[in-house]
Amino acid sequence: DIQMTQAPSSLSASVGDRVTITCRASQSISTDLNWYQQKVGKAPKLLIFGASSLQSGVPSRFSGSGSGTEFTLTISSLQPEDFATYYCHQSYTTPYPFGQGTKLEIK
Amino acid sequence: EVQLVASGGGLVQPGGSLRLSCAASGFTFSHYWMHWVRQAPGKGLEWVANINPDGSQRKYVDSVKGRFTISRDNDKNSVYLQMDSLGVEDTAVYFCARPSVAGIYWYYDLWGRGTLVTVSS
Repeated sequence: DIQMTQAPSSLSASVGDRVTITCRASQSISTDLNWYQQKVGKAPKLLIFGASSLQSGVPSRFSGSGSGTEFTLTISSLQPEDFATYYCHQSYTTPYPFGQGTKLEIK
Repeated sequence: EVQLVASGGGLVQPGGSLRLSCAASGFTFSHYWMHWVRQAPGKGLEWVANINPDGSQRKYVDSVKGRFTISRDNDKNSVYLQMDSLGVEDTAVYFCARPSVAGIYWYYDLWGRGTLVTVSS
């Protein structure tokens, strides 16, 4: 099975900062990689699909890149509402694992 | 309104069973695959199972194979997760999720609110 590894597991940052979260797949998944944001007590929300396509309605400060086994999610200028947990998710093959999550906290 | 409403969670003893339901509305349910994803308390997301539109194809994560069964009733716009031989490791919030397709990609664009399953004696 494909394993997904995210880094870092937690991150402290300030409003206005640029942050990058990485996700590594244990084998190539082409660009079948999605990014979700989850706030406490809520269902996840799609940010990026196909590694780099911005979901409709998601602010342009979010961007994704990568292919094969290495992927990144970048938030160009953190806003207060961006403090949440972020998950990568491979949609290439079952069992469709998620990364372990990156908790983004206010510094 | 386009939505998924999950229900059926609760407290169950180890070795027990529970059936989760997820009712869909606002879209043509019979056209979509459906998935279950779970999240243990304070932990990350774990894909559990999926089912194709006519119910003829089902896949499971290894940890639930042989214990969980996903099914659907397109007349009732509902997907189900029958959970048997439950263990404490199955304690989680269970989400139903609808995948949508854009070109060659698929992703979850609609999630239910989640229903909590607690396995404890």
